[in-house]
Amino acid sequence: DIQMTQSPSSLSASVGDRVTITCRSSQYIDTYLNWYQHKPGKAPNLLIFAASNLQSGVPSRFSGSGSGTDFTLTISSLQPEDFATYYCQQSYITPHLFGQGTKVEVK
Amino acid sequence: QVQLVQSGSEVKEPGASVTVSCKASGYTFSNYFIHWVRQAPGRGLEWMGVITPSIGTTSSTQKFQGRLSITRDTSTTTVYMELRGLRSEDTAVYYCARDSQLVTLPAAYTFDIWGQGTLVSVSS
Repeated sequence: DIQMTQSPSSLSASVGDRVTITCRSSQYIDTYLNWYQHKPGKAPNLLIFAASNLQSGVPSRFSGSGSGTDFTLTISSLQPEDFATYYCQQSYITPHLFGQGTKVEVK
Repeated sequence: QVQLVQSGSEVKEPGASVTVSCKASGYTFSNYFIHWVRQAPGRGLEWMGVITPSIGTTSSTQKFQGRLSITRDTSTTTVYMELRGLRSEDTAVYYCARDSQLVTLPAAYTFDIWGQGTLVSVSS
């Protein structure tokens, strides 16, 4: 199985901060990498697909980059509604594992 | 609007089975794959399996093979997930999710629409 490792596991940030989350796969996955935002009691929300493509309706402050094994999700200016847990997920090969999550908390 | 609406919470004893439903609306049901993903308390997201609604074929991760069945009813645009032989570690919120890819191509395993989640609690 291709393992997905996110870092950090959690971070504290303030509104307006630039936030960067990294995701590393244990094997090559080209750009088959998605990012989701998950808030407690809500369904996950697709933010970025195929490593760098912004899902329709997602604010442009979210961006993704990377290919191969190393990927990054960036929030350019953190907003109050962005405090949540973020997951990467590889869509390259079954099983399509998720990372363990990065919780973005209020500083 | 496009949505997936799941059935309500369930409480089951160890060894029992549970069936969670996921009703699709707002789009052509047969055109998109439906996946099941779960999240155990304090854990991350875990992909379980997928169904092609147009023809009913399924695939699942090896972890659940033998215990997991995914079926669909095209007349009611509903997908069902049955998990048998429940254990305490199956306590989780179960989500159905739509694949972003049309079934005319291989599944993208990219989940663009999600159900609201169904809590399944397994306890004696």
